[in-house]
Amino acid sequence: GAGVSQSPRYKVAKRGQDVALRCDPISGHVSLFWYQQALGQGPEFLTYFQNEAQLDKSGLPSDRFFAERPEGSVSTLKIQRTQQEDSAVYLCASSPSRGKQETQYFGPGTRLLVL
Amino acid sequence: AQSVSQHNHHVILSEAASLELGCNYSYGGTVNLFWYVQYPGQHLQLLLKYFSGDPLVKGIKGFEAEFIKSKFSFNLRKPSVQWSDTAEYFCAAFQYSTLTFGKGTMLLVSP
Repeated sequence: GAGVSQSPRYKVAKRGQDVALRCDPISGHVSLFWYQQALGQGPEFLTYFQNEAQLDKSGLPSDRFFAERPEGSVSTLKIQRTQQEDSAVYLCASSPSRGKQETQYFGPGTRLLVL
Repeated sequence: AQSVSQHNHHVILSEAASLELGCNYSYGGTVNLFWYVQYPGQHLQLLLKYFSGDPLVKGIKGFEAEFIKSKFSFNLRKPSVQWSDTAEYFCAAFQYSTLTFGKGTMLLVSP
């Protein structure tokens, strides 16, 4: 595909459930980012990968959030024991460059609703 | 921590009106600045960016932005908007290893 894809596009979870959100970056892109976008807000940084290495996870809000990119391409964001405040759109972005300062290409997002 | 302020949450304009969306970032020093746009039902996409050099940056679809260092501002402009410019616009600043977004401005252009 030409762009960043994310799945599922929508996810409804009961409070306490674990969820896994997938991101397929643009082929060959070195850098991958996850963001959380609450209603009425801009995206907020969660974590950053360069290839398979997670170089920055300073934005992860709690230890319930975990991200991986084991082979340097597809990434998964996992949220354990979901809470209502986790309801948001989770955006994935990728970039062909190393480093976080370059243009990022965004996916459509996964809209998570925790009931 | 870095913060980015967008002055208006909602803007409503008629077609052919001029547009200026305000954006201010919090700290001085080296900064990379971006405007992203999200059209209805579509992904966030880059409109334009400033890294260095000419402070007047031209982007896609006739948009431009001016970096004014003394005012910590990076306002987005377009001389004549079209109905197809209806979208949400996000300003973002990269500084101190973090890309920080503003809350966004929803622009509605009426035909």
